[in-house]
Amino acid sequence: AQKVTQAQTEISVVEKEDVTLDCVYETRDTTYYLFWYKQPPSGELVFLIRRNSFDEQNEISGRYSWNFQKSTSSFNFTITASQVVDSAVYFCALSEVYSGGGADGLTFGKGTHLIIQP
Amino acid sequence: DTEVTQTPKHLVMGMTNKKSLKCEQHMGHRAMYWYKQKAKKPPELMFVYSYEKLSINESVPSRFSPECPNSSLLNLHLHALQPEDSALYLCASSPRQGRRAEYNEQFFGPGTRLTVL
Repeated sequence: AQKVTQAQTEISVVEKEDVTLDCVYETRDTTYYLFWYKQPPSGELVFLIRRNSFDEQNEISGRYSWNFQKSTSSFNFTITASQVVDSAVYFCALSEVYSGGGADGLTFGKGTHLIIQP
Repeated sequence: DTEVTQTPKHLVMGMTNKKSLKCEQHMGHRAMYWYKQKAKKPPELMFVYSYEKLSINESVPSRFSPECPNSSLLNLHLHALQPEDSALYLCASSPRQGRRAEYNEQFFGPGTRLTVL
């Protein structure tokens, strides 16, 4: 069975600091997908990024970057020069391949509550 | 149109009521999902529909009854709920179930916040 661990329950930093959110996953599948979602206080889950298990390239999008390492089963997320608007709960999620050939629903980590103080 | 809409936004119901949650998307997605999220917890998968057929049911109690009348619409019928069923109910859609990563990007609606008295 799959599992996602986000060990950091809450992180508080001052605006403009860099912050890294950790995600470690467990799966027996060789084909799987990893995601990060942001959930602001309004409640809606906002998709940030996906990675498939065959693609270990790191990615940068503006102030956001992701480091995927299969050797350590980690998919960490870094925000550079954090801003107050980045305050939210961030979820890492895993999707395996469903026995019917498609992909399963998402298994989420417990989330990291990120607080950016002005 | 790149959004998933959910109605109502808030719902308060008694334990003997019957109500329905509605989810709609017009992105041509063929997989739709229901998740339940309790306060300060991650979302938990309830049901998955693929091409309008129920493909995954995560052992959800029968007081929750999903329905997918067409490829754009997903309903969740509620009956005889318990106070512990109070939660945020999130609907999501993805292009389809399949092996390609982009098929599995799930787009979430804003949720329905349900309170059972």
